[in-house]
Amino acid sequence: EVQLVESGGGLVQPGGSLRLSCAASGFTVSNNYMSWVRQAPGKGLEWVSLISSDGSGGSTSYADSVKGRFTISRDKSKNTLYLQMNSLRPEDTAVYYCARDEARASVNWGLGTLVTVSS
Amino acid sequence: EIVLTQSPGTLSLSPGERATLSCRASQSVSSRFLAWYQQKPGQAPRVLIYGASNRATGIPDRFSGSGSGTDFTLTISRLEPEDFAVYYCQQYGTSPPLTFGGGTKVEIK
Repeated sequence: EVQLVESGGGLVQPGGSLRLSCAASGFTVSNNYMSWVRQAPGKGLEWVSLISSDGSGGSTSYADSVKGRFTISRDKSKNTLYLQMNSLRPEDTAVYYCARDEARASVNWGLGTLVTVSS
Repeated sequence: EIVLTQSPGTLSLSPGERATLSCRASQSVSSRFLAWYQQKPGQAPRVLIYGASNRATGIPDRFSGSGSGTDFTLTISRLEPEDFAVYYCQQYGTSPPLTFGGGTKVEIK
């Protein structure tokens, strides 16, 4: 059974950093496209970042709103996806979901982790 | 960037009625790259439809997707109580960003 468990969220001051983790089971992270999607309180879904599978070159892409501040990566030995978030802003406050992608859709989702950026 | 506009913003219907949700793209989207999701309060989204018209595993056949080019539709043939939720479309093309629509809330009338 595919399972995704996010962790690492919390309260951080503006300008600070956090690293989110997404522990996967039931499949191999590096063999799949993986995404991070966020949802600000009471708002809609916003795609944040994508990493392609090893077979597709492991390329990464980012939303303009986070480009240059966030970095997506993965650890094969831990079968875990990460999102390093630097220079955090209040508008980055959201629940962050990781997802396994297949057939051009996010087919498995974690429960999310809340990031709050506030002084 | 491809902008997806969903309409209506809110749809008020009764159980048993038919729901028709629209997703319009600012430029043509390959049907292979259009997905629909359902989200209930406090829960993660769930994929319903991928490739514009393919039901995901375990999705009841009362859910169907159609469309091409810039106009896509999600239809729920007969609303069940558990279908009242927010629905999002997403284009998952070859060029980022992978945008979502703003969502349509289907509420009980």
